[in-house]
Amino acid sequence: LAKTTQPISMDSYEGQEVNITCSHNNIATNDYITWYQQFPSQGPRFIIQGYKTKVTNEVASLFIPADRKSSTLSLPRVSLSDTAVYYCLVGDDRRALTFGSGTRLQVQP
Amino acid sequence: NAGVTQTPKFQVLKTGQSMTLQCAQDMNHNSMYWYRQDPGMGLRLIYYSASEGTTDKGEVPNGYNVSRLNKREFSLRLESAAPSQTSVYFCASSERTGSDYGYTFGSGTRLTVV
Repeated sequence: LAKTTQPISMDSYEGQEVNITCSHNNIATNDYITWYQQFPSQGPRFIIQGYKTKVTNEVASLFIPADRKSSTLSLPRVSLSDTAVYYCLVGDDRRALTFGSGTRLQVQP
Repeated sequence: NAGVTQTPKFQVLKTGQSMTLQCAQDMNHNSMYWYRQDPGMGLRLIYYSASEGTTDKGEVPNGYNVSRLNKREFSLRLESAAPSQTSVYFCASSERTGSDYGYTFGSGTRLTVV
């Protein structure tokens, strides 16, 4: 099972771009990289998923280098409402997801 | 558009009591999951059901049992509650097991065992 490492916490200000990097050195060939967002007192919410290169949706972008040993979640122009915990998960299509401790992002005005 | 519904939302139990947490999804998903989240921690997988009729242990199954009642419903039972089981319990579902299918989570059940 690929282990992920991400910063425990990050601080930012409104309007800034935030990049959260996750390391997954033991990622397997069949593994996908998925990011979830969790607000206080709520269940996690799927943000974005990728296998390689770059993926973009209306919420975020995900950058994955060629060796896939890390990935970076990019949140453009964050607002106070982006204050949450962000989880990086790595897994294939056969196993249930396991969550680490995530990155606690605090956005200041 | 209910998604994943968990009941109850809050519960206080005395040590040794039993209870069942209920979870239902209306998205016709095949796979369902139970996680627990302790304060300030990430989620830990208790049990999951890849499809109707199957269940498998996750990271922390001890002290719990599950039942996949039908495709929609997946319940979690605590036979003899302990203070260490005080946590927030989340149910989730996905089209299929695995990370290439997005998981939809319920809003959680906050359980306190005294």
